[in-house]
Amino acid sequence: KAGVTQTPRYLIKTRGQQVTLSCSPISGHRSVSWYQQTPGQGLQFLFEYFSETQRNKGNFPGRFSGRQFSNSRSEMNVSTLELGDSALYLCASSLDTEQYFGPGTRLTVT
Amino acid sequence: AQRVTQPEKLLSVFKGAPVELKCNYSYSGSPELFWYVQYSRQRLQLLLRHISRESIKGFTADLNKGETSFHLKKPFAQEEDSAMYYCALSGPSGNTPLVFGKGTRLSVIA
Repeated sequence: KAGVTQTPRYLIKTRGQQVTLSCSPISGHRSVSWYQQTPGQGLQFLFEYFSETQRNKGNFPGRFSGRQFSNSRSEMNVSTLELGDSALYLCASSLDTEQYFGPGTRLTVT
Repeated sequence: AQRVTQPEKLLSVFKGAPVELKCNYSYSGSPELFWYVQYSRQRLQLLLRHISRESIKGFTADLNKGETSFHLKKPFAQEEDSAMYYCALSGPSGNTPLVFGKGTRLSVIA
């Protein structure tokens, strides 16, 4: 089975721009979660989608949004980028409570 | 509030020595507990979960509800165990997001 894939793997953006990250879950997995990983804060939950509906949301500003498509693929969008948004963004898919992580997208905001 | 605490940022042990990575949690109810591991240049992956009661790669973890702890142990450390280890919890139904500790970097010295 193919693992979770994320595109792009690396991204450099300028403050004020917006960015869209993509995640393809493992086939058959309907739940997709997003996490932000930084050296200071560690792994922080952003949101989870299940069958195209947002099921859980973390404590992040409204600039962070996401969606899930009927094929379970998910995208997250960050608008009006800030320097502090520089991080590794991880996507994970799951069937039950075990989550399978993708390699991440490294976002650098300059 | 849900919280996972890993008190050690870095743990260095000699090859063949016992290893214990500490994890304490705060959760009102009965959470599901996990240990995730991230080897160098690899994606985050599940090491073990308390409900399975398995030993993976020689590691075990016992849930102590009285002390609200889920420490990870291995009797004899190997060099290939060097990695970043994250303790995490979720609600019992699997419908709540993972809450991660900040991680402990294990370094096994030859």
